[in-house]
Amino acid sequence: VQLVESGGGLVQPGGSLRLSCAASGFTFNMHAMSWVRQAPDKGLEWVSAITGSTGSTYYADSVKGRFTISRDNSKNTVYLQMNRLRAEDTAVYYCAKNYFESGSSVEYWGQGTLVTVSS
Amino acid sequence: QTVVTQEPSFSVSPGGTVTLTCGLTSGSVSTSYYPSWYQQTPGQAPRTLIYSINSRSSGVPDRFSGSILGNKAALTITGAQADDESDYYCVLYMGGGIWVFGGGTKLTVL
Repeated sequence: VQLVESGGGLVQPGGSLRLSCAASGFTFNMHAMSWVRQAPDKGLEWVSAITGSTGSTYYADSVKGRFTISRDNSKNTVYLQMNRLRAEDTAVYYCAKNYFESGSSVEYWGQGTLVTVSS
Repeated sequence: QTVVTQEPSFSVSPGGTVTLTCGLTSGSVSTSYYPSWYQQTPGQAPRTLIYSINSRSSGVPDRFSGSILGNKAALTITGAQADDESDYYCVLYMGGGIWVFGGGTKLTVL
C-alpha cells in the first residue's frame, strides 16, 4: 500500500488549497478513504471520510461547509478541497486508507503534507 | 459536546505491562464505538495497532492488545520495550460516519 499526498503549502487566511492523495497497492474503490490532520505539537484530528463506491461523505464540525472530500476511482486518487482557510487549519494533513468500503477506521497512513495558513 | 479522554502521560518499566484507556466525558465506551488505537513517534506518520476493539493490524506483535474495560476502551502493552516509547491515540466512532480522536497519551519507558 502506498499513499502519496501532494498539494500542501503556504496560503493566506481566507484562501483555498486542494490536497491530492495518489493511492496504489490495493483495490481502491473497495475502501473508504479519510483525511486526518495534526496541528503543530498537537494531537490527531479526524477531518473527513468518503466511502469507496457510493462516495458518501462525512466531515468534522470544524471543517463542515468549508472542506470538500472527493475521489476519482479511475485515477485511484482522493482529494480534499479546502476553502475559507483559517490559521487554525495549519497542520500536517494525512491521507489514510480505511479497512473497509464504509464504516471503518484507518488502516494505512500516508506520510502527510503540511498546510500553513498565514499572512 | 462529548470529548474522548486519554491519560496525558504514562510511564512503564522495561518488561512491564501498561494499560492505556480511552473514555468519554459523557457516557461509556461500548463495542458500538469500534475503538481503534494508533502509535506515533515524533516526526513520523501514525501506525495502526488495533481496530474494532481488539483486532490487531497486520504486523503488530501480540504484545499489543485491545479490549473494553469497564466503561472505557483499553490498550494493553505487555513486555514493554524501549521502542514502545511513543504517543498513543485512540479513536471512537460517534455514528453518522463521524470519528473522534482522543488527545493522546505520551508513554515513557524507563
